Amino acid sequence: SQQGEEDPQALSIQEGENATMNCSYKTSINNLQWYRQNSGRGLVHLILIRSNEREKHSGRLRVTLDTSKKSSSLLITASRAADTASYFCATQNYGGATNKLIFGTGTLLAVQP
Amino acid sequence: EAQVTQNPRYLITVTGKKLTVTCSQNMNHEYMSWYRQDPGLGLRQIYYSMNVEVTDKGDVPEGYKVSRKEKRNFPLILESPSPNQTSLYFCASSFYRTEAEAFFGQGTRLTVV
Repeated sequence: SQQGEEDPQALSIQEGENATMNCSYKTSINNLQWYRQNSGRGLVHLILIRSNEREKHSGRLRVTLDTSKKSSSLLITASRAADTASYFCATQNYGGATNKLIFGTGTLLAVQP
Repeated sequence: EAQVTQNPRYLITVTGKKLTVTCSQNMNHEYMSWYRQDPGLGLRQIYYSMNVEVTDKGDVPEGYKVSRKEKRNFPLILESPSPNQTSLYFCASSFYRTEAEAFFGQGTRLTVV
């Protein structure tokens, strides 16, 4: 089952600009994670935010979480051509006995040099 | 180097010919899972394993089998592949605990003709 959707589906910006991607989810969560996928390759973990956190930073990444709206955003500042990739949010809920990650549909980011 | 290794990377096969995609991790992770990625659908979990000899169905298990005889290996078996199983497959592993970051293999692009 898909947890939710990401918005926009695709985003094209110039190098140096900021990129913002949004993720919405449907059920209660314990944490939300963001992953990056370079074309056709494996996903790489970027950042995790807990359900009791509202904002988190890691280098040029800033993630926010609004559990009342069931939404999260990923901001990449001062983007570079190397940031071109697909970005996925994934949620975890420990209600079951698994580490299951439920992924969104992804945002394809293209950074033009 | 910590990694998840999948083989093969690319595979073209014919309908009904049994195949196995291997997955191995060197991080002593308890939790392993298989996902398939299809355009517009994001990643969907096929099967997962919480430890040796413990496996369970994910969201799209039909047509697939798995086994977990050793902690490091988690092969995906397609007993009788069909064209609707043409997809990009990912193996992932993590520690079985809260807030666990998942590590992904490089993917296996399977085409069933």
